[in-house]
Amino acid sequence: NAGVTQTPKFQVLKTGQSMTLQCAQDMNHNSMYWYRQDPGMGLRLIYYSASEGTTDKGEVPNGYNVSRLNKREFSLRLESAAPSQTSVYFCASSWDRGPNEQFFGPGTRLTVL
Amino acid sequence: QKEVEQDPGPLSVPEGAIVSLNCTYSNSAFQYFMWYRQYSRKGPELLMYTYSSGNKEDGRFTAQVDKSSKYISLFIRDSQPSDSATYLCAMRGYGGSQGNLIFGKGTKLSVKP
Repeated sequence: NAGVTQTPKFQVLKTGQSMTLQCAQDMNHNSMYWYRQDPGMGLRLIYYSASEGTTDKGEVPNGYNVSRLNKREFSLRLESAAPSQTSVYFCASSWDRGPNEQFFGPGTRLTVL
Repeated sequence: QKEVEQDPGPLSVPEGAIVSLNCTYSNSAFQYFMWYRQYSRKGPELLMYTYSSGNKEDGRFTAQVDKSSKYISLFIRDSQPSDSATYLCAMRGYGGSQGNLIFGKGTKLSVKP
């Protein structure tokens, strides 16, 4: 099992460009999450999907959109990238929204110039 | 005041030392407490998981929760160079937005041979 995979691993964008970060899990988990990690700020939840077909905002959703494409895949889209979105993005999944372990992907390092 | 406070360190100890990592929190609704370990340029992985107050031991690691003081700790005995990583505390309540994991900023630990 690959667990949680993310693409791309690295990306450099110019201000105003758009891009989609991809995430897939092969653990048959119902819930998936997108976090960003910034120095001095810790991990912060952007959006989550409790189950296929549902999405909800987390702590820092502004400037992002998400799509739960199917049970395996959850994508994060930046429509018009800003330097403030320079960060490391982690996707995670868990069995459900209960108190279960969240499994994290390896991350995407995004720089917006 | 942030919901979860964690000293970012860095913390440097000699091999074999006992390490104590701590977090404080302000939200009385938190019931589930976790410690994640994150190696450089990797995603976080769950290390310890406790529910409510008390101690939990797993090999060289002991997690301690004191809900009356809103204080959690992770102790590492006989620390090894392979323990060098960033340790993130995380906690959550149950249901709705209280089900979101709230992370501390992480403490960077270096164990010197």
